Amino acid sequence: GDSVTQMEGPVTLSEEAFLTINCTYTATGYPSLFWYVQYPGEGLQLLLKATKADDKGSNKGFEATYRKETTSFHLEKGSVQVSDSAVYFCALSENTGNQFYFGTGTSLTVIP
Amino acid sequence: DVKVTQSSRYLVKRTGEKVFLECVQDMDHENMFWYRQDPGLGLRLIYFSYDVKMKEKGDIPEGYSVSREKKERFSLILESASTNQTSMYLCASSRWGGNQPQHFGDGTRLSIL
Repeated sequence: GDSVTQMEGPVTLSEEAFLTINCTYTATGYPSLFWYVQYPGEGLQLLLKATKADDKGSNKGFEATYRKETTSFHLEKGSVQVSDSAVYFCALSENTGNQFYFGTGTSLTVIP
Repeated sequence: DVKVTQSSRYLVKRTGEKVFLECVQDMDHENMFWYRQDPGLGLRLIYFSYDVKMKEKGDIPEGYSVSREKKERFSLILESASTNQTSMYLCASSRWGGNQPQHFGDGTRLSIL
């Protein structure tokens, strides 16, 4: 079945450091891939998405590239800020279905 | 912007009570979902619905039921609350179709005493 695996947390970085959160997936068809962010006390917000191989999603300085050959969708940001402290979820949805498959989330803390 | 509204941010109930969690979306989405979120376990799907009066079991439906009488409203019901149902509950909605993002409410933190 479909599944998403993302790197274990928590991750702690200093402000302006480079961020990578790894995400790999298993899918039977041709999925769309998503990154969501959850700030403390809130629900999940869509951060970015990619719907086909080699697509790059980007938003708020974050980006991720849909790599079919490595079944990966790693999240990157060149310079993190304290306000980026949150939990990040990778997810996939098959293009023929309506369900989502979420990773377990990676907690990021950015210190000044 | 899509707005998904959950009726309560915090709720405290007692063991054995019947508990209702309400969710309303304002974007005419076909799909609605209920998840619970627990530390270390991520999001787990309880139930989802593709249309009015339609429901499908997710990964952990035991102890829960749902109701969708109107397209915009999806209710989660704990028939007889137990302490192991203490959790964060998240509602989401999306358009029909596999590449449609899900939009989430702010969650209800439910404590069962």
